[in-house]
Amino acid sequence: GENVEQHPSTLSVQEGDSAVIKCTYSDSASNYFPWYKQELGKRPQLIIDIRSNVGEKKDQRIAVTLNKTAKHFSLHITETQPEDSAVYFCAASKFIGAQKLVFGQGTRLTINP
Amino acid sequence: EPEVTQTPSHQVTQMGQEVILRCVPISNHLYFYWYRQILGQKVEFLVSFYNNEISEKSEIFDDQFSVERPDGSNFTLKIRSTKLEDSAMYFCASMRSTNEKLFFGSGTQLSVL
Repeated sequence: GENVEQHPSTLSVQEGDSAVIKCTYSDSASNYFPWYKQELGKRPQLIIDIRSNVGEKKDQRIAVTLNKTAKHFSLHITETQPEDSAVYFCAASKFIGAQKLVFGQGTRLTINP
Repeated sequence: EPEVTQTPSHQVTQMGQEVILRCVPISNHLYFYWYRQILGQKVEFLVSFYNNEISEKSEIFDDQFSVERPDGSNFTLKIRSTKLEDSAMYFCASMRSTNEKLFFGSGTQLSVL
């Protein structure tokens, strides 16, 4: 089945700098890649997603890139702010909209003021 | 914005006891899921449910687990005889169609003693 690997497990950046989190997936049939932000004790919240027919998608300070050939996708956060501190999870699914999401291990992002 | 609601937020039970976790998905959603997250680990898929039947389940979802949609609004997860390793945060999620986004509930923290 699908396996999603996520790196790094922890990331600490200075406020205002950029943060990049990377994921690889194993199943070339996966075609939907969402990113979730999870604050301590709260539900995962979808922040951005990308479908396999698109190489890049941007929403304000957040962008996601997808390389289908290499089977990896990345989350980019620019101009980081303290409220960006959270755990970020990537995920992959074979169906657009996620019949079954397979998650990465998570990245704990800390923004230092 | 409509939300997936879950009750209770915390559940403490003795090993071997039955528990029922309850969820009210978003009202016009048709696809329902249970995921779990052991403390500090990634979110794991348990089961998906559509058209009053299970559409997919993971290896975790063994004979001790069952799901039900007893009426038009509730979606429940039952664990028949809880084990210590069932301790986790359980998230319900719902989706209107397979072409749309997945929304998570706030979770039920299950502690098995």
